Amino acid sequence: DSGVTQTPKHLITATGQRVTLRCSPRSGDLSVYWYQQSLDQGLQFLIQYYNGEERAKGNILERFSAQQFPDLHSELNLSSLELGDSALYFCASSTRQGAAYGYTFGSGTRLTVV
Amino acid sequence: QQPVQSPQAVILREGEDAVINCSSSKALYSVHWYRQKHGEAPVFLMILLKGGEQKGHDKISASFNEKKQQSSLYLTASQLSYSGTYFCGTIEGNTGKLIFGQGTTLQVKP
Repeated sequence: DSGVTQTPKHLITATGQRVTLRCSPRSGDLSVYWYQQSLDQGLQFLIQYYNGEERAKGNILERFSAQQFPDLHSELNLSSLELGDSALYFCASSTRQGAAYGYTFGSGTRLTVV
Repeated sequence: QQPVQSPQAVILREGEDAVINCSSSKALYSVHWYRQKHGEAPVFLMILLKGGEQKGHDKISASFNEKKQQSSLYLTASQLSYSGTYFCGTIEGNTGKLIFGQGTTLQVKP
C-alpha cells in the first residue's frame, strides 16, 4: 500500500456518460497530480493541485475537470465520455511541489467506456 | 517537452547488465526515475538533482550529466524482479509538474 488511495479501482460506463474518480493523497502530502495512461502508452500529465489550488495543466480535455478539496483529497471528473477515454487514470502525491520531491502513485482507476 | 528514452525495449538474461538513457532538448534541472510493472502503479526509484550526481539503490544506479542534458539508469546483475517499464521524468518550471519519457520496457529472462 503506497498510501495514495484511488477509488473506484474499476469503472465501466457507456459513451456520453459522466464519471468521477477520487484520490486521497498520502498523509502529509500537499500536491496531487493526475495522469492518464492508455493501453501500452506512457504517462500523460493531466493536471496538478497544490494545497487546494490548481498549479499546472497538461493536455487535459475540456470535457475533463478536477479539483482539490480542503481535506486535500482530489476528484477528476470526466464527462461526455468517448471510447478513446478508456485508460488507466493514476493519481500521485508528493510532499511539496518542486524538483526535489518524488511522487507516490496510487494503484489507479481503470476506466472502460463501452 | 517530453524527454526521450533509449532503447525502447531491452531483453536480458539474469545476471546481465543494462543501461537506459534519458535525454532532453531542454535544460534539465532534475531527473526522476520510476519503474512500472504491468498493470501496477509506477514506483519511485530515485531523483537526481545536480549535474554529476550519481545515486544507487541495491544494484540500480543512475547518473545525471547536466551539460549533456541527459541521465542514465544502470541495472547491474539483473534479477527477474527488475522486469518492467522504466520511465524517466523531468520537471517543468517551478510547479513540480513531472513530464515522463515514453518508457523503456525491460524483460529479464531466467
